[in-house]
Amino acid sequence: SQKIEQNSEALNIQEGKTATLTCNYTNYSPAYLQWYRQDPGRGPVFLLLIRENEKEKRKERLKVTFDTTLKQSLFHITASQPADSATYLCALNTNAGKSTFGDGTTLTVKP
Amino acid sequence: EAGVAQSPRYKIIEKRQSVAFWCNPISGHATLYWYQQILGQGPKLLIQFQNNGVVDDSQLPKDRFSAERLKGVDSTLKIQPAKLEDSAVYLCASSPGTSGRLYRNEQFFGPGTRLTVL
Repeated sequence: SQKIEQNSEALNIQEGKTATLTCNYTNYSPAYLQWYRQDPGRGPVFLLLIRENEKEKRKERLKVTFDTTLKQSLFHITASQPADSATYLCALNTNAGKSTFGDGTTLTVKP
Repeated sequence: EAGVAQSPRYKIIEKRQSVAFWCNPISGHATLYWYQQILGQGPKLLIQFQNNGVVDDSQLPKDRFSAERLKGVDSTLKIQPAKLEDSAVYLCASSPGTSGRLYRNEQFFGPGTRLTVL
């Protein structure tokens, strides 16, 4: 069966450092992958989308990589800030737009 | 542009009662999703509409859950009768893209409805 695994534990880092979150999957061939941010009591907010034929995408301090051979995506936040503290979700998508979400990684950036 | 609207924001019911949730997507968005999010887990897709047709409802417990999308715009999700394990946040999302238009398939989520079944 399809399985998506994100960092198994919460991630705590110091302000200014780079946060790296992982998303591994099995028994799935996604057409594209998305990363979302979710704050407590709110719906997820879209951050980045990367297609199966793309290796890397960047947006300001965010970078996503996608390795379909390793079946893994890495999500990086450089120069992290306390305001980056949230839960980050990866979602794998079919061409029809169907999304399967991971359970998320809770990031805490300490000042 | 206005975001995805959902109501109510909170609902408490007894088990075996019925409940309905409403979603108004972003204007012009073709695709609408309903998700169930249990505390500590990621959103789980219940049903996906494209315009007013169902694209995927493979994970919708059809013996108790039903959903419709009227005229390809607003949508309602109903649970009848509710069980204790239905306690969760129900998220509605919409997306502008259609099949094949990958670059516009990011989803815009509403604030969710927190359901508690006692």
